[in-house]
Amino acid sequence: GQNIDQPTEMTATEGAIVQINCTYQTSGFNGLFWYQQHAGEAPTFLSYNVLDGLEEKGRFSSFLSRSKGYSYLLLKELQMKDSASYLCAIDQTGANNLFFGTGTRLTVIP
Amino acid sequence: NAGVTQTPKFRILKIGQSMTLQCTQDMNHNYMYWYRQDPGMGLKLIYYSVGAGITDKGEVPNGYNVSRSTTEDFPLRLELAAPSQTSVYFCASSVGQGSSPLHFGNGTRLTVT
Repeated sequence: GQNIDQPTEMTATEGAIVQINCTYQTSGFNGLFWYQQHAGEAPTFLSYNVLDGLEEKGRFSSFLSRSKGYSYLLLKELQMKDSASYLCAIDQTGANNLFFGTGTRLTVIP
Repeated sequence: NAGVTQTPKFRILKIGQSMTLQCTQDMNHNYMYWYRQDPGMGLKLIYYSVGAGITDKGEVPNGYNVSRSTTEDFPLRLELAAPSQTSVYFCASSVGQGSSPLHFGNGTRLTVT
């Protein structure tokens, strides 16, 4: 089987930095996705990590530790438009689809 | 490119009615998927297709059917709607499996009463 744990909700202040954690358990792991989903909208792709380490894309960075079954999404210089749900999803060996976590709803306050 | 287009955006069905959720993509992606998203739950795969003429069940296929006659279109059919099918449905496509990002449509919000 497989499992993903993410915090349900987080609140952070505009201009600050926030780290959204994702821990996973699976029998065969290829890589990990992060998607952003604004309320009432479709998920959009943010990042895909397959190797250990940090990958940076502008204000967003994603980290992976395969040995610990752990990833985080780091959002810097938070803006109000970053208020959204952030979905962690694992790409599993031999599977035909991604396994999604329940998502973390981030609220950015002034 | 329009990407992935879903219709309708909203629909209310009575128990036992049938309907088809339409999905079309113009990116020439071979892989297409149908997910449902319920509050507090992760996206669950209903059906997927790896190319025209090929479909397969996902995690929660009961009560649904699909067809893939062309690369572009992947409709989802609900034959006898039940309240448990009240959900938001997302169609998605990708170039390949695994590391290929999913491109999602804007979703269909379905209520069955």
